[in-house]
Amino acid sequence: QVQLVQSGGGVVQPGGSLSLSCAASGFTFSSYGVNWVRQAPGRGLEWVAFIRHDGSKTYYADSVTGRFTISRDNPKSMLYLQMSGLRVEDTAVYYCAKDRDYGGNFDYWGQGTLVTVSS
Amino acid sequence: DIQMTQSPSSLSASVGDTVTITCQASQDISNFLNWYQQKPGKAPQVVIYGASKLGSGAPSRFSGSGSGTHFTFTISSLQPEDIATYYCQQYDDLPPLTFGGGTKLEIK
Repeated sequence: QVQLVQSGGGVVQPGGSLSLSCAASGFTFSSYGVNWVRQAPGRGLEWVAFIRHDGSKTYYADSVTGRFTISRDNPKSMLYLQMSGLRVEDTAVYYCAKDRDYGGNFDYWGQGTLVTVSS
Repeated sequence: DIQMTQSPSSLSASVGDTVTITCQASQDISNFLNWYQQKPGKAPQVVIYGASKLGSGAPSRFSGSGSGTHFTFTISSLQPEDIATYYCQQYDDLPPLTFGGGTKLEIK
């Protein structure tokens, strides 16, 4: 069965850096686009970033452009989010999400990992 | 960017009621719309994809309709396990992907 198992996260000071990982299994990882989506405490869902199945194209939300980098390692079936220049407003639960077919048509989500940016 | 306007933001209904949530897109998105159910402390799960297709594991009392800019999500015969927050999301235009603000569904 499809599984997306996340790791990373934690507490970091403003301006700091943090990396998130998402380990995929149960499907051919290299055939699907994947995304990061976040949810601030008590708030709604916000899409963060997308990477094409072969890594050839990436897209970012304006709020993270220039600070976050999405990447993937297809032989290892791993998705990453490198976050730098973190701000208090980046505090959220971060989810990885797999595309069903078109970019953004999510069918499976990871369990989520909390990132807290605080001094 | 495509704006998704979801209403109502909260809804209280009784077990057995029919519940309807609407989502309006700021421009034509064809049928590139999903509905997600999110329970507290859990990841969202897709319940409707492509505007009207039932997600894997979603109960048949869930349905979706619409195309273009106006969409609806309906639960016929509300059950206690349906208590959750529901979000619509468009995937016609990337970037950015955008979500509605959510509808918190409670039992009366």
